[in-house]
Amino acid sequence: GESVGLHLPTLSVQEGDNSIINCAYSNSASDYFIWYKQESGKGPQFIIDIRSNMDKRQGQRVTVLLNKTVKHLSLQIAATQPGDSAVYFCAEIISGYSTLTFGKGTMLLVSP
Amino acid sequence: GAVVSQHPSRVICKSGTSVKIECRSLDFQATTMFWYRQFPKQSLMLMATSNEGSKATYEQGVEKDKFLINHASLTLSTLTVTSAHPEDSSFYICSARTRGQGQPQHFGDGTRLSIL
Repeated sequence: GESVGLHLPTLSVQEGDNSIINCAYSNSASDYFIWYKQESGKGPQFIIDIRSNMDKRQGQRVTVLLNKTVKHLSLQIAATQPGDSAVYFCAEIISGYSTLTFGKGTMLLVSP
Repeated sequence: GAVVSQHPSRVICKSGTSVKIECRSLDFQATTMFWYRQFPKQSLMLMATSNEGSKATYEQGVEKDKFLINHASLTLSTLTVTSAHPEDSSFYICSARTRGQGQPQHFGDGTRLSIL
Protein backbone atom coordinates (compact mmCIF):
# COMPACT_ATOMS: atom_id res chain seq x y z
CA GLY A 1 0.00 0.00 0.00
CA GLU A 2 1.07 3.59 -0.56
CA SER A 3 0.11 6.40 1.74
CA VAL A 4 -0.45 10.02 0.88
CA GLY A 5 0.18 12.67 3.50
CA LEU A 6 -0.88 11.51 6.94
CA HIS A 7 -3.34 8.88 5.82
CA LEU A 8 -2.31 5.27 6.10
CA PRO A 9 -4.06 3.01 3.61
CA THR A 10 -6.46 0.82 5.52
CA LEU A 11 -7.65 -2.69 4.84
CA SER A 12 -10.81 -3.71 6.69
CA VAL A 13 -11.72 -7.40 6.83
CA GLN A 14 -14.02 -9.68 8.73
CA GLU A 15 -12.66 -12.24 11.14
CA GLY A 16 -11.93 -15.46 9.31
CA ASP A 17 -11.30 -13.80 5.94
CA ASN A 18 -7.94 -13.93 4.22
CA SER A 19 -6.05 -10.62 4.06
CA ILE A 20 -3.58 -9.46 1.44
CA ILE A 21 -1.35 -6.48 2.14
CA ASN A 22 0.75 -5.08 -0.67
CA CYS A 23 4.00 -3.20 -0.84
CA ALA A 24 5.93 -1.67 -3.72
CA TYR A 25 9.65 -1.19 -3.37
CA SER A 26 11.83 0.98 -5.53
CA ASN A 27 15.39 -0.30 -5.36
CA SER A 28 16.19 -3.19 -7.67
CA ALA A 29 19.38 -3.77 -5.66
CA SER A 30 17.36 -4.80 -2.59
CA ASP A 31 17.89 -8.47 -1.87
CA TYR A 32 16.26 -9.06 1.49
CA PHE A 33 12.73 -8.17 2.55
CA ILE A 34 10.94 -8.33 5.87
CA TRP A 35 7.34 -7.82 6.96
CA TYR A 36 6.74 -6.24 10.36
CA LYS A 37 3.62 -5.86 12.45
CA GLN A 38 3.32 -2.79 14.66
CA GLU A 39 0.63 -2.54 17.29
CA SER A 40 -0.34 0.82 18.72
CA GLY A 41 2.34 2.25 21.00
CA LYS A 42 4.78 -0.58 20.37
CA GLY A 43 7.83 -1.29 18.27
CA PRO A 44 7.78 -3.35 15.06
CA GLN A 45 7.52 -7.11 15.45
CA PHE A 46 9.09 -9.47 12.91
CA ILE A 47 6.57 -11.57 10.97
CA ILE A 48 8.33 -13.18 8.04
CA ASP A 49 11.21 -12.52 5.68
CA ILE A 50 12.24 -13.50 2.16
CA ARG A 51 15.41 -13.27 0.13
CA SER A 52 15.47 -12.17 -3.47
CA ASN A 53 16.38 -15.65 -4.73
CA MET A 54 12.90 -16.82 -3.66
CA ASP A 55 9.45 -15.82 -4.82
CA LYS A 56 7.38 -17.33 -2.02
CA ARG A 57 7.82 -18.19 1.62
CA GLN A 58 5.28 -19.56 4.05
CA GLY A 59 5.01 -19.31 7.79
CA GLN A 60 2.25 -20.03 10.22
CA ARG A 61 -0.88 -18.45 8.70
CA VAL A 62 1.29 -16.03 6.70
CA THR A 63 2.74 -16.16 3.21
CA VAL A 64 5.03 -13.64 1.57
CA LEU A 65 5.18 -13.34 -2.21
CA LEU A 66 7.94 -11.49 -4.04
CA ASN A 67 7.71 -10.34 -7.64
CA LYS A 68 11.06 -8.85 -8.57
CA THR A 69 9.97 -8.03 -12.09
CA VAL A 70 7.53 -5.40 -10.89
CA LYS A 71 9.23 -4.81 -7.53
CA HIS A 72 6.22 -5.90 -5.55
CA LEU A 73 5.87 -7.69 -2.24
CA SER A 74 2.72 -9.00 -0.61
CA LEU A 75 1.79 -10.46 2.75
CA GLN A 76 -1.09 -12.88 2.90
CA ILE A 77 -2.68 -13.65 6.25
CA ALA A 78 -4.97 -16.64 6.37
CA ALA A 79 -8.04 -16.78 8.62
CA THR A 80 -7.47 -13.26 9.91
CA GLN A 81 -8.18 -12.74 13.61
CA PRO A 82 -8.94 -9.58 15.62
CA GLY A 83 -5.48 -9.88 17.15
CA ASP A 84 -4.02 -9.33 13.68
CA SER A 85 -5.28 -5.74 13.74
CA ALA A 86 -2.18 -3.54 13.49
CA VAL A 87 -0.10 -1.54 11.03
CA TYR A 88 1.98 -3.69 8.71
CA PHE A 89 5.23 -2.47 7.18
CA CYS A 90 7.43 -4.00 4.56
CA ALA A 91 11.13 -3.26 4.85
CA GLU A 92 14.01 -3.86 2.47
CA ILE A 93 17.76 -4.17 2.73
CA ILE A 94 19.94 -3.25 -0.21
CA SER A 95 22.59 -5.79 -1.08
CA GLY A 96 25.85 -5.00 0.71
CA TYR A 97 24.23 -2.70 3.24
CA SER A 98 22.90 -3.34 6.71
CA THR A 99 20.22 -0.70 7.12
CA LEU A 100 16.50 -1.34 6.82
CA THR A 101 14.34 0.95 4.71
CA PHE A 102 10.71 0.83 5.74
CA GLY A 103 7.75 1.18 3.42
CA LYS A 104 4.82 3.42 4.25
CA GLY A 105 2.60 0.93 6.05
CA THR A 106 -0.92 -0.40 5.83
CA MET A 107 -3.39 -0.51 8.68
CA LEU A 108 -5.28 -3.78 8.97
CA LEU A 109 -8.60 -3.64 10.84
CA VAL A 110 -10.25 -6.96 11.66
CA SER A 111 -13.80 -6.91 12.88
CA PRO A 112 -15.32 -9.84 14.76
CA GLY B 1 14.20 -14.72 21.87
CA ALA B 2 16.33 -11.61 21.74
CA VAL B 3 14.93 -8.76 23.80
CA VAL B 4 15.54 -5.04 23.46
CA SER B 5 14.33 -2.80 26.26
CA GLN B 6 13.74 0.91 25.89
CA HIS B 7 13.33 3.36 28.75
CA PRO B 8 11.36 5.44 29.43
CA SER B 9 8.30 4.34 27.47
CA ARG B 10 6.81 7.79 27.73
CA VAL B 11 8.17 11.19 28.68
CA ILE B 12 6.60 14.63 28.83
CA CYS B 13 8.79 17.64 29.42
CA LYS B 14 9.03 21.35 28.93
CA SER B 15 10.50 23.00 25.87
CA GLY B 16 14.23 23.63 26.23
CA THR B 17 15.04 20.63 28.38
CA SER B 18 17.18 17.70 27.30
CA VAL B 19 15.83 14.17 27.34
CA LYS B 20 17.78 10.92 27.44
CA ILE B 21 16.37 7.67 26.09
CA GLU B 22 18.04 4.35 26.86
CA CYS B 23 18.11 1.24 24.69
CA ARG B 24 19.37 -2.01 26.16
CA SER B 25 19.90 -5.44 24.70
CA LEU B 26 19.01 -7.84 27.49
CA ASP B 27 20.31 -11.19 26.29
CA PHE B 28 22.71 -10.56 23.42
CA GLN B 29 25.62 -8.35 22.48
CA ALA B 30 24.42 -5.43 20.40
CA THR B 31 27.37 -4.55 18.21
CA THR B 32 25.15 -2.26 16.14
CA MET B 33 22.20 -0.17 17.29
CA PHE B 34 19.82 1.89 15.22
CA TRP B 35 17.63 4.83 16.19
CA TYR B 36 14.40 5.59 14.35
CA ARG B 37 11.79 8.32 14.61
CA GLN B 38 8.16 7.79 13.76
CA PHE B 39 5.53 10.52 13.40
CA PRO B 40 1.81 9.64 13.71
CA LYS B 41 0.46 7.56 10.84
CA GLN B 42 3.87 7.49 9.20
CA SER B 43 6.65 5.01 8.74
CA LEU B 44 9.86 4.58 10.68
CA MET B 45 12.64 6.87 9.53
CA LEU B 46 16.21 5.92 10.35
CA MET B 47 18.01 8.67 12.24
CA ALA B 48 21.39 7.12 12.93
CA THR B 49 23.39 3.92 13.17
CA SER B 50 25.91 3.32 15.90
CA ASN B 51 28.54 0.64 16.31
CA GLU B 52 29.81 -0.11 19.78
CA GLY B 53 32.77 2.08 20.62
CA SER B 54 32.47 4.23 17.49
CA LYS B 55 30.81 7.52 16.63
CA ALA B 56 27.30 7.25 15.26
CA THR B 57 26.59 7.68 11.56
CA TYR B 58 23.69 10.06 11.04
CA GLU B 59 21.25 10.05 8.14
CA GLN B 60 20.98 13.08 5.95
CA GLY B 61 18.97 15.85 7.57
CA VAL B 62 19.43 14.60 11.14
CA GLU B 63 21.34 17.06 13.31
CA LYS B 64 24.06 15.25 15.23
CA ASP B 65 24.34 18.06 17.79
CA LYS B 66 20.62 17.89 18.42
CA PHE B 67 20.40 14.11 18.73
CA LEU B 68 23.39 12.85 20.68
CA ILE B 69 23.99 9.13 20.47
CA ASN B 70 26.28 7.17 22.74
CA HIS B 71 26.98 3.46 22.31
CA ALA B 72 29.65 2.87 24.90
CA SER B 73 28.92 -0.78 25.69
CA LEU B 74 27.65 -3.89 23.94
CA THR B 75 24.34 -3.70 25.76
CA LEU B 76 23.49 -0.01 25.97
CA SER B 77 22.95 2.89 23.61
CA THR B 78 21.49 6.25 24.56
CA LEU B 79 19.82 8.95 22.52
CA THR B 80 19.76 12.43 24.04
CA VAL B 81 17.47 15.01 22.51
CA THR B 82 19.10 18.29 23.46
CA SER B 83 17.13 21.47 24.04
CA ALA B 84 13.96 19.75 22.91
CA HIS B 85 11.17 21.72 21.25
CA PRO B 86 7.58 20.78 20.39
CA GLU B 87 8.58 19.77 16.86
CA ASP B 88 10.81 17.07 18.39
CA SER B 89 7.72 15.37 19.81
CA SER B 90 7.60 11.94 18.24
CA PHE B 91 7.86 8.20 18.82
CA TYR B 92 11.51 7.17 19.05
CA ILE B 93 12.37 3.51 18.48
CA CYS B 94 15.68 1.73 18.81
CA SER B 95 16.77 -1.58 17.39
CA ALA B 96 19.83 -3.70 18.01
CA ARG B 97 21.71 -6.35 16.12
CA THR B 98 24.63 -8.57 16.91
CA ARG B 99 27.71 -9.12 14.77
CA GLY B 100 27.53 -11.33 11.72
CA GLN B 101 26.06 -11.28 8.25
CA GLY B 102 22.33 -11.68 8.07
CA GLN B 103 21.71 -11.07 11.76
CA PRO B 104 18.21 -9.64 12.32
CA GLN B 105 17.39 -6.36 14.00
CA HIS B 106 15.44 -6.62 17.24
CA PHE B 107 13.26 -3.65 18.09
CA GLY B 108 12.44 -1.97 21.37
CA ASP B 109 8.92 -0.88 22.19
CA GLY B 110 9.62 2.79 21.61
CA THR B 111 9.57 5.99 23.63
CA ARG B 112 6.75 8.48 23.21
CA LEU B 113 8.30 11.93 23.63
CA SER B 114 5.99 14.90 24.14
CA ILE B 115 7.46 18.40 24.45
CA LEU B 116 5.15 21.06 25.84
